[in-house]
Amino acid sequence: SSELTQDPAVSVALGQTVRITCQGDSLRSYYASWYQQKPGQAPVLVIYGKNNRPSGIPDRFSGSSSGNTASLTITGAQAEDEADYYCNSRDSSGVVFGGGTKLTVL
Amino acid sequence: QVQLQESGPGLVKPSQTLSLTCTVSGGSISSGGYYWSWIRQHPGKGLEWIGYIYYSGSTYYNPSLKSRVTISVDTSKNQFSLKLSSVTAADTAVYYCARVARPSIWFDPWGQGTLVTVSS
Repeated sequence: SSELTQDPAVSVALGQTVRITCQGDSLRSYYASWYQQKPGQAPVLVIYGKNNRPSGIPDRFSGSSSGNTASLTITGAQAEDEADYYCNSRDSSGVVFGGGTKLTVL
Repeated sequence: QVQLQESGPGLVKPSQTLSLTCTVSGGSISSGGYYWSWIRQHPGKGLEWIGYIYYSGSTYYNPSLKSRVTISVDTSKNQFSLKLSSVTAADTAVYYCARVARPSIWFDPWGQGTLVTVSS
C-alpha cells in the first residue's frame, strides 16, 4: 500500500501562520482529510474534500493540494491549536494515514 | 447529531479474539450514504485503519490485518462490531469506531475510543 509522509514536529509562534504538509502518491488521485488530536482525546476532523470545514471548525483552518502534496494551513494559530495533526486519504488498498505532526504553539 | 460509542473488554489474553462493538446513536446505520469503520492507535503512535463496512454487509479491510479481522453489522441494534483473532501484545491499542464518507474517505465523527490491552 502507499504511504503518507508528514513532518514529525512543527512549531509556530502564537498568532502566526503555519503549514503542515502531507506527501504521498495517493494524493495525486484523492483528496486528503485532516484530523486534530489532543492528548487523551479522539481525533476530530478539521478539513475534508477539496477544502471543506465541518461545522464548528474555525475558519483559520484551511486545506490545499498540489501534485502529491496536501497541506493544512492554520492562519493565526491559537494556543488551543497545539495538538497532533494527521492526514489520511484513500488509496489502492483502502485507506492510509500519515504518521502525524506534533504542532507546538510558542 | 450522530454519536458513536465503543464497548467491549479492556483486557484480552494472547492468542484469543478481541471483540468490540460500536453503538451508533442519533442516526441510523441503515440510512445509507456512509460506511462504518474501525481504526486503532498504538500507545504513543499514529492511526491505523482496520476496515469498514456498509449497512448491506460489504466490507473492506486493511490488507495487513485482513487475515485476522472480521467486521459485521447489526442494523436492528444500530451497531457494528470488530473481531480480531489471534491477538498478541502488538494489538494493544486504543480502538476507535468512526463514520466514513466516501469516495475521498474521511472519518467523522469518532467514538471516544477504548483501550484494549493484550496480556496474560
